[in-house]
Amino acid sequence: NAGVTQTPKFRVLKTGQSMTLLCAQDMNHEYMYWYRQDPGMGLRLIHYSVGEGTTAKGEVPDGYNVSRLKKQNFLLGLESAAPSQTSVYFCASCDDRYNSPLHFGNGTRLTVT
Amino acid sequence: KQEVTQIPAALSVPEGENLVLNCSFTDSAIYNLQWFRQDPGKGLTSLLLIQSSQREQTSGRLNASLDKSSGRSTLYIAASQPGDSATYLCAVRRDSSASKIIFGSGTRLSIRP
Repeated sequence: NAGVTQTPKFRVLKTGQSMTLLCAQDMNHEYMYWYRQDPGMGLRLIHYSVGEGTTAKGEVPDGYNVSRLKKQNFLLGLESAAPSQTSVYFCASCDDRYNSPLHFGNGTRLTVT
Repeated sequence: KQEVTQIPAALSVPEGENLVLNCSFTDSAIYNLQWFRQDPGKGLTSLLLIQSSQREQTSGRLNASLDKSSGRSTLYIAASQPGDSATYLCAVRRDSSASKIIFGSGTRLSIRP
């Protein structure tokens, strides 16, 4: 049972470069999320999706784009990376039922130089 | 605006002790509260989820309680072990909306052998 899988695990970018982070879940969850985790800032929601073909902005969406073309996948894109986007990125998913717990991937550590 | 606070930020106790981790929230109108464990370099692992209508949940040596009226939840760990060393985070879901999950900054727990 893979759960939530994130790729890549690590990445170093130069300012201005672009990249896509991939999140895949095999639990048939409706809801998927992208968070970033920074020291002293906790977990902050970037974007989320409530189902295939839907996306919505979270708390800190600027500089990021997302797509959910398939229910099991949620992609996070950085079009022009900035040093302020250096962070650990986590994907999470849950069912849309009332008591469904949130499941997390192991994260992607991104450094922008 | 819902705020979630975890104090202390770090805690060190000798092996075998029973301990309590605290989580407080400012708005008592919550949907559910979830406790997570995060090991260094890893994602968050769900430990317990308490629905708003429940007072506590138990799993093995872990017991989580919820007091909505006082805006508090506690995670009780019995007979602590070095393997319990990790960061523990709580998260409050405000309502049925997918986006309204607010995380605390966590308590870093160290169990001394």
